[in-house]
Amino acid sequence: QPVLTQPPSVSGAPGQRVIIYCTGNNSNIGANFGVHWYQQLPGSAPKLLIFGDINRPSGVPDRFSASKSGPSVSLAITGLQADDEADYFCQTYDKNLRAPVFGGGTKVTVL
Amino acid sequence: AQLKQSVPEVRKPGASVTVSCKTSGYPFGQYAITWVRRAPGQGLEWMAWISTHTAKTDYSDKFQGRVTVTTDTSINTVYMDLWSLTSADTATYYCARLPPDKFDSGRGDFLYFFYMDVWGEGTTVTV
Repeated sequence: QPVLTQPPSVSGAPGQRVIIYCTGNNSNIGANFGVHWYQQLPGSAPKLLIFGDINRPSGVPDRFSASKSGPSVSLAITGLQADDEADYFCQTYDKNLRAPVFGGGTKVTVL
Repeated sequence: AQLKQSVPEVRKPGASVTVSCKTSGYPFGQYAITWVRRAPGQGLEWMAWISTHTAKTDYSDKFQGRVTVTTDTSINTVYMDLWSLTSADTATYYCARLPPDKFDSGRGDFLYFFYMDVWGEGTTVTV
């Protein structure tokens, strides 16, 4: 079972906003190592979307944003587009496991 | 920066496999390399990482004793060996880069951020 919990799927119409939540505990998200998000398009490698809780790498559109509140974090996609259809994963470090940990992934479907 | 992985592999149960990750376009010794896999219908799973500066490694408890990660600094390449394969090891294996935070002179090594900023294209291993 993944250490971090994500909903298996979310969906929205083009132009809408969707939010993906990622929940952990005090040994991972609550330990403030920074939470990161990845987008994996079908047939492609994962791509870094957000690092250090809220930061976007160069080239990632500002339609993607993230926030954190205690042991829970979220990724928001605004102005949903067809090519946003992908799997999205949250990731951080777990101090008890002494390892990077991922969420189970959320499949975003554009209706 | 680019990470170029080796071609797909097919193995029988009980065999071993080596996946390579050739890096280019950045200072090899300043970024760690980590290995992550994704099995069909599953999520991402961390396996191991290696400091390319010191060759220090760390392995997931799940794979400890069954995986080895090494480097060849002469050709800026990292290798992941996995043995005693079973059908549960059928997956796409990715190498990815971990950026440096700062150099720790006491340890003689970099401290790394644990996010993966550049990924290889993946290598499918079928058992």
